[in-house]
Amino acid sequence: EVQLVQSGAGVKKPGESLRISCEASGYSFTTYWISWVRQLPGKGLEWMGRIDPSNSYPKYSPSFQGHVTMSVDKSISTAYLQWNSLKPSDTAIYFCARVVAWHLDVWGNGTTVTVPS
Amino acid sequence: QSVLTQPPSVSGAPGQRITISCTGSSSNIGAGYDVHWYQQLPGTVPKVLIYSNSNRPSGVPDRFSGSKSGTSGSLAVSGLQAEDEAEYYCQSYDSSLSSYVFGTGTKVTVL
Repeated sequence: EVQLVQSGAGVKKPGESLRISCEASGYSFTTYWISWVRQLPGKGLEWMGRIDPSNSYPKYSPSFQGHVTMSVDKSISTAYLQWNSLKPSDTAIYFCARVVAWHLDVWGNGTTVTVPS
Repeated sequence: QSVLTQPPSVSGAPGQRITISCTGSSSNIGAGYDVHWYQQLPGTVPKVLIYSNSNRPSGVPDRFSGSKSGTSGSLAVSGLQAEDEAEYYCQSYDSSLSSYVFGTGTKVTVL
């Protein structure tokens, strides 16, 4: 079974760094891109970007370029999303998802990030 | 600001047919990029409902159907059921942004 399992919820202070993870199983990790999607509280879905696990090349949405960093560790089939300095406006649920034929066919369980002001 | 516009809400009685539109432009749907649809039940993870304009993944009831024409896509739900109450999002690719894009989302209410 194809699965994406994300790391647990985190509560951080403004200015702190954070890395959340997305572990893939049930398929060849390097075959498909991984995307990250943000959902602000009570709001819609926003595409943040995607990374190609075969070469670690990321492509960011213009809205998120420079604010987050995407990376992978092929040896453990895991993708990461990282912030160097969190803001309260980063409070959201973050989903990873597998990209197949230009759509997101399998989604992770979501990671809730809370940054109190 | 999403480049794909959906109606904020759509409602219907059980058994009725509803449609949700997804209006784009010449840099996304109109440029030939496919439209995909996701369903997000309350408090759950989104799941793909329709991919590549009109294809249903296995397990998705045939009550759900999709189409695309010009700069718009459309999702139809026939035989509306209480369990269809959810948020629905369209998604495509935008060449001007070089980015995947989601629609604004539509909340479906079963009366």
